[in-house]
Amino acid sequence: SAVISQKPSRDICQRGTSLTIQCQVDSQVTMMFWYRQQPGQSLTLIATANQGSEATYESGFVIDKFPISRPNLTFSTLTVSNMSPEDSSIYLCSVEDSLDTEAFFGQGTRLTVV
Amino acid sequence: GENVEQHPSTLSVQEGDSAVIKCTYSDSASNYFPWYKQELGKGPQLIIDIRSNVGEKKDQRIAVTLNKTAKHFSLHITETQPEDSAVYFCAASYGGSQGNLIFGKGTKLSVKP
Repeated sequence: SAVISQKPSRDICQRGTSLTIQCQVDSQVTMMFWYRQQPGQSLTLIATANQGSEATYESGFVIDKFPISRPNLTFSTLTVSNMSPEDSSIYLCSVEDSLDTEAFFGQGTRLTVV
Repeated sequence: GENVEQHPSTLSVQEGDSAVIKCTYSDSASNYFPWYKQELGKGPQLIIDIRSNVGEKKDQRIAVTLNKTAKHFSLHITETQPEDSAVYFCAASYGGSQGNLIFGKGTKLSVKP
């Protein structure tokens, strides 16, 4: 299985600021995904990070709020922009393995906005 | 839109008993159905998955069944142990990619010693 590292693991941020979350994978993967898990809730897909092209966003999520980069096949970033307390969540990076057969998650970034 | 329903939301069993969690999905094009275990403060851990061309899959104490006609799949844990206590999520793929997943709301499993 792929090993996924996310940074930071947690952060407390002031409202109005932005935070960039990094996701590093130990092998080249075609597809990388960003999910949000609000407190006590399930996971919701934010966007698919495509290497060499714009990210594909799900309904309810926009690029201005959650800009994503995917510079190569092992790395992606998600920025949470102009944060408000409602953005307090766990943000999770996910990848399909190299055979595109399974989906794995990182440990997540626990964000608290005050 | 696509939807995944998961039941029950909480489940309490005695150590050694079996636990069953059930999910239904709405998108008939879904073809990948993973189950994740999430412990407090950790990311979801893939524990087992099944594809639409298979009806049942087993891995030691864990098994998953799929009824594609009924759009229903279930997780079965036998001989439960206290370390099985966690939140379990089912998910269904959509859009043709294993990573595009719709998740159920989760089941909090408590195994009492």
